[in-house]
Amino acid sequence: QSALTQPPSASGSPGQSVTISCTGTNSDVGGYNYVSWYQQHPGKAPKLIIYEVTKRPSGVPDRFSGSKSGNTASLTVSGLQAEDEADYYCSSYAGTPYVFGTGTKVTVL
Amino acid sequence: EVQLVESGGGLVQPGGSLRLSCAASGFTFTDYWMTWVRQAPGRGLEWVANITPDGSGKYYLDSVKGRFTISRDNAENSLFLQMNSLRDEDTALYYCVRHPPWRFDPWGQGTQVTVSA
Repeated sequence: QSALTQPPSASGSPGQSVTISCTGTNSDVGGYNYVSWYQQHPGKAPKLIIYEVTKRPSGVPDRFSGSKSGNTASLTVSGLQAEDEADYYCSSYAGTPYVFGTGTKVTVL
Repeated sequence: EVQLVESGGGLVQPGGSLRLSCAASGFTFTDYWMTWVRQAPGRGLEWVANITPDGSGKYYLDSVKGRFTISRDNAENSLFLQMNSLRDEDTALYYCVRHPPWRFDPWGQGTQVTVSA
């Protein structure tokens, strides 16, 4: 039950794109198409933004997209906006438990 | 509107116990798995436990097995987490989360648990 590996930080200017990676193993990310992503603003609860690798819940802008290759999943935020500055966490089903990523702080320059 | 409201957190000494509660509303509680996720101060998210819709299946993080018990009262639309033998490393904000297939959505605002002498 080790945490998935994410870069500690990422940044981009308004309008640019930023991509966050989430690396696991064959027992979690690589073994299932059940990766989800969460956005967390300071002092707030996390919010689901991507599930089942690529699906977006209703109300989430299409600027957010997800993908997966092998044991690594990715979240891309296109057309960065100021309100996208937040912490982002991936998560994957891993058999009985779920595992979260280490988190990435996205800064909009 | 789906709402999840946690309560029961507080300050407790190492070795002590707490019972967290989560009141759910705005959805058919018996249709969903439910989950507890925690976040230590300044740290990331950690899945703690989840429970099947009828309460018959319960799954735990290895480090809390034998100390924590998840349960639910479907008549009262409530989720619980009984935490015994608490350790310093259990200090965290505990979130109650609805658990549709393969995702966590939405999240409550959390209840703070602090384990300290």
